[in-house]
Amino acid sequence: DTGVSQDPRHKITKRGQNVTFRCDPISEHNRLYWYRQTLGQGPEFLTYFQNEAQLEKSRLLSDRFSAERPKGSFSTLEIQRTEQGDSAMYLCASSLAGGTAIYTGELFFGEGSRLTVL
Amino acid sequence: AQSVTQLGSHVSVSEGALVLLRCNYSSSVPPYLFWYVQYPNQGLQLLLKYTSAATLVKGINGFEAEFKKSETSFHLTKPSAHMSDAAEYFCAVSENSGGYQKVTFGIGTKLQVIP
Repeated sequence: DTGVSQDPRHKITKRGQNVTFRCDPISEHNRLYWYRQTLGQGPEFLTYFQNEAQLEKSRLLSDRFSAERPKGSFSTLEIQRTEQGDSAMYLCASSLAGGTAIYTGELFFGEGSRLTVL
Repeated sequence: AQSVTQLGSHVSVSEGALVLLRCNYSSSVPPYLFWYVQYPNQGLQLLLKYTSAATLVKGINGFEAEFKKSETSFHLTKPSAHMSDAAEYFCAVSENSGGYQKVTFGIGTKLQVIP
């Protein structure tokens, strides 16, 4: 039984480079979320998928950010032309549509991908 | 719009002492409320949740929280702190937004346990 997994756990890059993070949700979960967490803050919502459809995006998700979930399973979050302000922990979470979890908002988180932009 | 306020970004307690982490929420509808714990360089783990059943909710690791509608509070407590409780704790509220439960987190409270 595996939980939500994220890769890579740590990424150090130079300003202007592109980076991509991958998230594999719990296998039966059809909802997937990306959050960003900066130092001293709680997680902030970025975007949400139900199956392969991206249903909501936060205004925090600038044009340099793109997320996909092509087959409704794993998801990728790409950041183009990284800036120092993009340094953060990027958290992926999943949930199940059906049962009690979806009616409450309980989320199952991965361990996060920490990005450092030099 | 929903929001969460956590009073005290840092709390220190002695080992064996009572832990009290405060959370107040704002929501236009009856909310679902959560406490999550985060250890260094890890993701968030659910401690407990309030889903409109019992107002006193028991969670893992001996933590519990009480939903008080009149005070719009959902404070987290533990009778006796253990060294392993040192972590960051996040209160969260969710409400329906366009067909899914949108979750909003507080800024977190870092708990230090002093031996």
